[in-house]
Amino acid sequence: DGGITQSPKYLFRKEGQNVTLSCEQNLNHDAMYWYRQDPGQGLRLIYYSQIVNDFQKGDIAEGYSVSREKKESFPLTVTSAQKNPTAFYLCASSMFFAGTEAFFGQGTRLTVV
Amino acid sequence: AQTVTQSQPEMSVQEAETVTLSCTYDTSESDYYLFWYKQPPSRQMILVIRQEAYKQQNATENRFSVNFQKAAKSFSLKISDSQLGDAAMYFCAYRSATNSNSGYALNFGKGTSLLVTP
Repeated sequence: DGGITQSPKYLFRKEGQNVTLSCEQNLNHDAMYWYRQDPGQGLRLIYYSQIVNDFQKGDIAEGYSVSREKKESFPLTVTSAQKNPTAFYLCASSMFFAGTEAFFGQGTRLTVV
Repeated sequence: AQTVTQSQPEMSVQEAETVTLSCTYDTSESDYYLFWYKQPPSRQMILVIRQEAYKQQNATENRFSVNFQKAAKSFSLKISDSQLGDAAMYFCAYRSATNSNSGYALNFGKGTSLLVTP
């Protein structure tokens, strides 16, 4: 079945550590996105990519990094520079067309311990 | 940047009744798309309905319909014959029709939590 897979579902990070969240899609979508969800804040865009080997910062990119080496994969690294990383992270993908539906993964809950 | 405002943090409706969730947005663009997404307790985002700004006709999907008022920049969601499974967080989202500063990324409101009571 086609879809987006995020892993892990739950992730714990110690202070000062970098962690990487995985996002894989088999929908043959060109565009991929990372969002952060906090209670009462909706979804905020971290990074997006419209093509392999290219990506752009979103509204809250500080403390995060991404790569897009393959069309299917768009991993997000939460670096130690991100001061408040505890949140729910959602990955999405869509065709490169404004009117198309964006499909979402099931999310990763990151907690700093 | 476009902003999306959902002024109702929480709403409640009785089973079988009708409820309307509000959404307003701010944009200087004339062509864009609007979406309503549902996020149940599983946290899986599910598309409920979409509206193309250049279409005057309001979109409808079974029990879900929208009231799109382009001049007022308003995009409300009406849920008819509410069911217990409709209980979820609902997000209104805007997407530019042009490959702008955020590409084709969705711009979300803060959401409305809908409670459905028996």
